[in-house]
Amino acid sequence: AQSVTQLGSHVSVSEGALVLLRCNYSSSVPPYLFWYVQYPNQGLQLLLKYTSAATLVKGINGFEAEFKKSETSFHLTKPSAHMSDAAEYFCAVSGRGGSQGNLIFGKGTKLSVKP
Amino acid sequence: SAVISQKPSRDICQRGTSLTIQCQVDSQVTMMFWYRQQPGQSLTLIATANQGSEATYESGFVIDKFPISRPNLTFSTLTVSNMSPEDSSIYLCSVARGGVDTQYFGPGTRLTVL
Repeated sequence: AQSVTQLGSHVSVSEGALVLLRCNYSSSVPPYLFWYVQYPNQGLQLLLKYTSAATLVKGINGFEAEFKKSETSFHLTKPSAHMSDAAEYFCAVSGRGGSQGNLIFGKGTKLSVKP
Repeated sequence: SAVISQKPSRDICQRGTSLTIQCQVDSQVTMMFWYRQQPGQSLTLIATANQGSEATYESGFVIDKFPISRPNLTFSTLTVSNMSPEDSSIYLCSVARGGVDTQYFGPGTRLTVL
């Protein structure tokens, strides 16, 4: 069965600093991996996705993530944090693969950005 | 991507009553999903709704409590029945689009049960 672990329920960085949000997965099949962002009182927005093409995936708002099979990781990074990045971030793995899959979500990491 | 709307955006309901949440998509999709996000928690899949067939429920969720309709390829409803305070959550619908499990989410319905 698939699962996702996000290390750190809360991460705080200064504006302009590197953002690193950690995600490790477990999957019995080649996974599809996703990062979503949830701003306060809003739904989830897709940041980026890995679907077995390039291991370094670039998403919206300057975020990127690298798929490392040997480490079963899919960490999310951004070189320079902006105040508008403050939100909750969810890592997810496709539960069954293919077009009929559902998503297994991590518990989320709340990112705070200090001025 | 997909443009998804949900109604209502939020509601406060009394214990024992039911609430029906609507989800509308801007174009036809085969699969729609309903998730629950309890306070301070991650998302949990309730059920998958395919047009023309019964919804498929995940472990821990039953049709009597969360009946789902899927009358066409752009619309679905989720009913939360006989509500209790434990049902206070954000309920989100999503659609699969992009061929590889990519899901796009609606804005969610924030439900509070008193």
